[in-house]
Amino acid sequence: KAGVTQTPRYLIKTRGQQVTLSCSPISGHRSVSWYQQTPGQGLQFLFEYFSETQRNKGNFPGRFSGRQFSNSRSEMNVSTLELGDSALYLCASSSDLDRGRYGYTFGSGTRLTVV
Amino acid sequence: AQSVTQLDSHVSVSEGTPVLLRCNYSSSYSPSLFWYVQHPNKGLQLLLKYTSAATLVKGINGFEAEFKKSETSFHLTKPSAHMSDAAEYFCVVSRGGGFKTIFGAGTRLFVKA
Repeated sequence: KAGVTQTPRYLIKTRGQQVTLSCSPISGHRSVSWYQQTPGQGLQFLFEYFSETQRNKGNFPGRFSGRQFSNSRSEMNVSTLELGDSALYLCASSSDLDRGRYGYTFGSGTRLTVV
Repeated sequence: AQSVTQLDSHVSVSEGTPVLLRCNYSSSYSPSLFWYVQHPNKGLQLLLKYTSAATLVKGINGFEAEFKKSETSFHLTKPSAHMSDAAEYFCVVSRGGGFKTIFGAGTRLFVKA
């Protein structure tokens, strides 16, 4: 079965702009989690969506938001971009039975560069 | 509360020699433990997982890890390193639910020819 698909793979944006990233989980998976990965902070949890509802949220400002559609595809949006938002954004999917208890399948990520 | 500590930020081995990547964890609950590998500009790939079954867990590419509750450790080993093993490795503790999944800081493995 197809893996987790993240688009686009690379993005360059200017400070103050907004950006939308997309994630299609493994077919049948209803849980999608988003992580930000930076050299300084490592992997940090952004939020988790399950059946179109945000279930958990990490410690990020309100500029970071997301949503999940009825087909389980998820998008995350970052408004008013700052230089510090430059990072690899990773999407992880898991089955609705465990929501990460048995591990995630990650996408290849979207590399966002803010200039 | 849960936490995970990877004891080495960098490990360097020669090709053909054993690999040991160390991980200690703390959890108030019976945790699930994982090792993931990340190659440059790639996502994370699950190497192996411990979910309260056998304490010696075998994963892909010849890696294995042993859950030691008394030592709160989950070290990753491989008998013989290959050049393709050069990557970053993450030890992870989870109760399920994204926000309860905690990633270690990562250990970068270098493999010398």
